[in-house]
Amino acid sequence: AQKVTQAQTEISVVEKEDVTLDCVYETRDTTYYLFWYKQPPSGELVFLIRRNSFDEQNEISGRYSWNFQKSTSSFNFTITASQVVDSAVYFCALSEIYRGSTLGRLYFGRGTQLTVWP
Amino acid sequence: NAGVTQTPKFQVLKTGQSMTLQCAQDMNHEYMSWYRQDPGMGLRLIHYSVGAGITDQGEVPNGYNVSRSTTEDFPLRLLSAAPSQTSVYFCASSLDRDRVTYGYTFGSGTRLTVV
Repeated sequence: AQKVTQAQTEISVVEKEDVTLDCVYETRDTTYYLFWYKQPPSGELVFLIRRNSFDEQNEISGRYSWNFQKSTSSFNFTITASQVVDSAVYFCALSEIYRGSTLGRLYFGRGTQLTVWP
Repeated sequence: NAGVTQTPKFQVLKTGQSMTLQCAQDMNHEYMSWYRQDPGMGLRLIHYSVGAGITDQGEVPNGYNVSRSTTEDFPLRLLSAAPSQTSVYFCASSLDRDRVTYGYTFGSGTRLTVV
């Protein structure tokens, strides 16, 4: 079973629309970290956010916001007023404690391809 | 400040050949790892290391070897390349300070084709 599920394989929106990318995770640990990464067409992986399991506050960074809900094991990502430059593959990832370290194995979802049309 | 450097960026191998993908970081990060990215599969962990001299297997370790003799370097060895190892490989590093994990920093990737 996948530890991180991104059910949306592809999403297309028109510029200025809001879009939410879903992420559902599975873990038995009480301490874990969640991440979002962006992979633009150039191929590099760009770190967007890290959230630990004890911090359920939502976070906003410019047009980006994240909603973390432990009750539903979800860590969703919303882009407000999308732009063409937001077109990319977005990955959600989970890091669990392994052998006593918070730098455990990083599990990625399969990614959501977001296309923003002008 | 180079971050995580991967070489080469592209490589074509014949089945059965061996090669080493290089990964180096200059951030004094304890943690380094190798992932492969295949279409529709996301990134999957191959091997990782929590410090010099310590390595462990990830989700898809078969066909790959690693070693960590220094903090800076974490090479990935393919002993006998197979077409199934055609993929994009990413190296990543991170720091765990006071049990707070920072964001993982990724290299720019190595696109490997095995023919």
